[in-house]
Amino acid sequence: AQKITQTQPGMFVQEKEAVTLDCTYDTSENNYYLFWYKQPPSRQMILVIRQEAYKQQNATENRFSVNFQKAAKSFSLKISDSQLGDTAMYFCAFMKQEVRNEKLTFGTGTRLTIIP
Amino acid sequence: DAGITQSPRHKVTETGTPVTLRCHQTENHRYMYWYRQDPGHGLRLIHYSYGVKDTDKGEVSDGYSVSRSKTEDFLLTLESATSSQTSVYFCAISESDRYQPQHFGDGTRLSIL
Repeated sequence: AQKITQTQPGMFVQEKEAVTLDCTYDTSENNYYLFWYKQPPSRQMILVIRQEAYKQQNATENRFSVNFQKAAKSFSLKISDSQLGDTAMYFCAFMKQEVRNEKLTFGTGTRLTIIP
Repeated sequence: DAGITQSPRHKVTETGTPVTLRCHQTENHRYMYWYRQDPGHGLRLIHYSYGVKDTDKGEVSDGYSVSRSKTEDFLLTLESATSSQTSVYFCAISESDRYQPQHFGDGTRLSIL
């Protein structure tokens, strides 16, 4: 089974600064997908960004980008120009590329607080 | 927002009682999932469904059953609730194309006293 590790339980960042959230994973699979989800205090789970393991290019979505290091099994999320609305729990998640096995395995999360 | 409605949003009940949580989607997506979220564990998969009457167990399925008689509805049942099932429950859906991101409902907070 896959294991997803997020070693930063909580982080505080000044507004407008950049922050990087770490995620490592343990898998023997070669083909898979990685995701970052955000959970603000409203409790919604919101997809932030997605990375296909077969793509070498790092995914970006506006202020959010990833540093995907397949050999190191590392998948960090960088938030640039942080905003108060970025305050949330952030979860890293893994999905095998296997038919009828499109299940997400989540890390335990990092609580990010943006300070005004 | 993806058209996912979970009901109820909150429920308090007693140990030993049956509980059914409902997930309703208006997206006509084929795949549906039930997760639970507990402190220190992230989200863990309980059961999932690939279509009507096509379900399978997830990582933490003991004590739970599911049913999917219509594409739009996925029911999670606790036959005899225990205090260890106190949690926040999330339903998720994803498109029929493979390996698509999952989109989540707003969650149900369930307390078993």
